[in-house]
Amino acid sequence: DARVTQTPRHKVTEMGQEVTMRCQPILGHNTVFWYRQTMMQGLELLAYFRNRAPLDDSGMPKDRFSAEMPDATLATLKIQPSEPRDSAVYFCASGLNGGHEKLFFGSGTQLSVL
Amino acid sequence: AQSVTQLGSHVSVSEGALVLLRCNYSSSVPPYLFWYVQYPNQGLQLLLKYTSAATLVKGINGFEAEFKKSETSFHLTKPSAHMSDAAEYFCAVSLSGGSYIPTFGRGTSLIVHP
Repeated sequence: DARVTQTPRHKVTEMGQEVTMRCQPILGHNTVFWYRQTMMQGLELLAYFRNRAPLDDSGMPKDRFSAEMPDATLATLKIQPSEPRDSAVYFCASGLNGGHEKLFFGSGTQLSVL
Repeated sequence: AQSVTQLGSHVSVSEGALVLLRCNYSSSVPPYLFWYVQYPNQGLQLLLKYTSAATLVKGINGFEAEFKKSETSFHLTKPSAHMSDAAEYFCAVSLSGGSYIPTFGRGTSLIVHP
């Protein structure tokens, strides 16, 4: 079965360190979302790409977060410097032609910033 | 603006009992509506999707949801709960005015007792 692959599955780091999370969307999907899940806030949108172009990153703290799609098979989410409040599960999801279609979610990256 | 409200952060049922998970949305245009399920340590998986073709939508694992425009609701039901249905359930809405970016509810945890 085709699936969205996220790496790493778990990441423990110290405050101030750079964190890079990677996502391999399903082959042929042209839409990628990054969401952050916490108990307090639920699922929050961080970034939205369509055909590798960023269409919405209004939910992302710009001073420390950045999201890119260097090619169609890789999406990255970076945090520099990381802070304890960034501790959460980060999900990547891919789909065909936008968010009104079915999204396929990866298993997430569980980030703990000490 | 689009939003989704899920009533009840936890719903507890006995095995074999009816499952009812509530979702209300706000939208000024016809919405796309979704229910996703999340099992522990996994990403979200699509249960079903409403696209205006029919008000009663059947999904996987015996779940279905009914779109009621007058009540702005999209409640999820299953006639008979299984232990394996225990999971977190998320309602989501996607609108053309929102660039088709899915907005998720806070989630409802379904607990199934033997």
